[in-house]
Amino acid sequence: AQKITQTQPGMFVQEKEAVTLDCTYDTSDQSYGLFWYKQPSSGEMIFLIYQGSYDEQNATEGRYSLNFQKARKSANLVISASQLGDSAMYFCAMREGWASYDKVIFGPGTSLSVIP
Amino acid sequence: DAGVIQSPRHEVTEMGQEVTLRCKPISGHDYLFWYRQTMMRGLELLIYFNNNVPIDDSGMPEDRFSAKMPNASFSTLKIQPSEPRDSAVYFCASSPRDRIDQPQHFGDGTRLSIL
Repeated sequence: AQKITQTQPGMFVQEKEAVTLDCTYDTSDQSYGLFWYKQPSSGEMIFLIYQGSYDEQNATEGRYSLNFQKARKSANLVISASQLGDSAMYFCAMREGWASYDKVIFGPGTSLSVIP
Repeated sequence: DAGVIQSPRHEVTEMGQEVTLRCKPISGHDYLFWYRQTMMRGLELLIYFNNNVPIDDSGMPEDRFSAKMPNASFSTLKIQPSEPRDSAVYFCASSPRDRIDQPQHFGDGTRLSIL
């Protein structure tokens, strides 16, 4: 079963507008971490932002923020004031467990295109 | 600080040949991961190491694939013999100690094409 779901295979946003990329996850663990990565057309994977399951505040990192709704098991990425350089694939990922390391599971990704 | 270094960046070879992909993790990182990315299957974890010891290789597709980590600063992923369906981008990533909030740091990937 899919543990990370990203329902938007592709999205468009006008430059300078905000955009929300959806991510829902499935876990029975109480302790887990959620990550977002960006993959531009050049191919590298760039870490953007992290949200812990016990964090009370939504994570923010510059123009990136997370809309974390634990009860709904969603961790949507919000990009404010979109720029042309934001055009890329975006992956949501989850790590489960606390006491011991577990592998990170990646979602299928969302392709974002920023329109001038 | 230097990031994760992968080589080669691109590899084109004929079916049946042995392919060796190399990775140097970030110094001090205890975990190393090998991923494969394709359009059809997305990003798949192949194997990961902790302190040079393989922990989980359940993602390795078949016996043609093998991975080693002889020391803390070097790992290889080998495919022998290679097949066209192995064509993909292979990423190496590393992560520091066992902390749930630690992101994985990725190399730039090796784009592998098997003809």
